[in-house]
Amino acid sequence: AQKVTQAQTEISVVEKEDVTLDCVYETRDTTYYLFWYKQPPSGELVFLIRRNSFDEQNEISGRYSWNFQKSTSSFNFTITASQVVDSAVYFCALRRTNDYKLSFGAGTTVTVRA
Amino acid sequence: GAVVSQHPSRVICKSGTSVKIECRSLDFQATTMFWYRQFPKQSLMLMATSNEGSKATYEQGVEKDKFLINHASLTLSTLTVTSAHPEDSSFYICSARGWAGREGMNTEAFFGQGTRLTVV
Repeated sequence: AQKVTQAQTEISVVEKEDVTLDCVYETRDTTYYLFWYKQPPSGELVFLIRRNSFDEQNEISGRYSWNFQKSTSSFNFTITASQVVDSAVYFCALRRTNDYKLSFGAGTTVTVRA
Repeated sequence: GAVVSQHPSRVICKSGTSVKIECRSLDFQATTMFWYRQFPKQSLMLMATSNEGSKATYEQGVEKDKFLINHASLTLSTLTVTSAHPEDSSFYICSARGWAGREGMNTEAFFGQGTRLTVV
């Protein structure tokens, strides 16, 4: 069974602060994919990143960075110098290599105050 | 990039009526579409998986007779909530999987805009 845990329910920061969202997953598969999505108040899901379990390199995209550690089954997400527009619910998700269904974490609500 | 369009974005219906939600892949052929449901302040839960031309596969606990899914073409899947009741009020969102573009970009990661259903 696949399980994704996002222990942080809500995080509130002041603009320009960094914020790190934790994601811990459980799977019996040796290969799998991990995802992060952003859900702004409007509701749509915005794809941020997909990571293959074979690729443990950390990734940076602008103010976003991801830290994948297979040894601890974690795929954490950091927003650097947060902005008000970053306010949203962020979901971590997992899927098996040969099955395209996604298992989502509970989500973390990030509020960035001006 | 690959685009998935969902319609309507919001719908309010009376209890006992049926509502149809459409999910379209605009620039690629969607061999598989997924329907998720999200209750307020909760996560997304998969309801069913539909493959073009075949019956949908429903997750445990989802009533197939209540949530009718049709995936008759490679660009369109529909979810019909039959005899809707207030407890069906939720955010329904689809995603589509297929291949797009010359480089065969995997489109699995893209979702529609979602449909907020309110049953009164």
